[in-house]
Amino acid sequence: GQNIDQPTEMTATEGAIVQINCTYQTSGFNGLFWYQQHAGEAPTFLSYNVLDGLEEKGRFSSFLSRSKGYSYLLLKELQMKDSASYLCAVKDSNYQLIWGAGTKLIIKP
Amino acid sequence: SQTIHQWPATLVQPVGSPLSLECTVEGTSNPNLYWYRQAAGRGLQLLFYSVGIGQISSEVPQNLSASRPQDRQFILSSKKLLLSDSGFYLCAWNTRKDRTYEQYFGPGTRLTVT
Repeated sequence: GQNIDQPTEMTATEGAIVQINCTYQTSGFNGLFWYQQHAGEAPTFLSYNVLDGLEEKGRFSSFLSRSKGYSYLLLKELQMKDSASYLCAVKDSNYQLIWGAGTKLIIKP
Repeated sequence: SQTIHQWPATLVQPVGSPLSLECTVEGTSNPNLYWYRQAAGRGLQLLFYSVGIGQISSEVPQNLSASRPQDRQFILSSKKLLLSDSGFYLCAWNTRKDRTYEQYFGPGTRLTVT
């Protein structure tokens, strides 16, 4: 079967750095997405990785290791508005997105 | 620019009643369209997707159905709602022209079945 694992919840302090991990087992791989979802709202796109390595975009970076079936999202200089759920999704061999359950990130002052 | 609309935003329906949720996309042609459901505190579950008018693929067996009567219109329906149908319903679109094949989401419909 296809499976994506993320921690259910994480807590971090404003101004700090947090790393959210995602491991996956899917039938084929055509890219990995990270989305941010604030409570009661639709997910919004954060990053996309298809090759191994680190993609940096402002305060957010995403890393991929295809051989390990592993990715992480790194958030720097945390702000209160970063409190949200972070969803990892993998595009499989049929180009369908397989979604993780999401990681709820709580930021404390 | 492209926009995606969903309505209604919230809905409270009794068990056994019918359902019709509508999604429309503007600013693009021949999009792929998706219906997802998200239960409280859970990930996204793909319900249906469509690559063209009248073409519907179902991902999970359920009492829901979908239709695509026009290129940029996607409708989710049920004849008789169950309590387990409660959730946050999201419509999304993308196009193969986008390198990342990223999906863009509508604002969602929060359905409560009582």
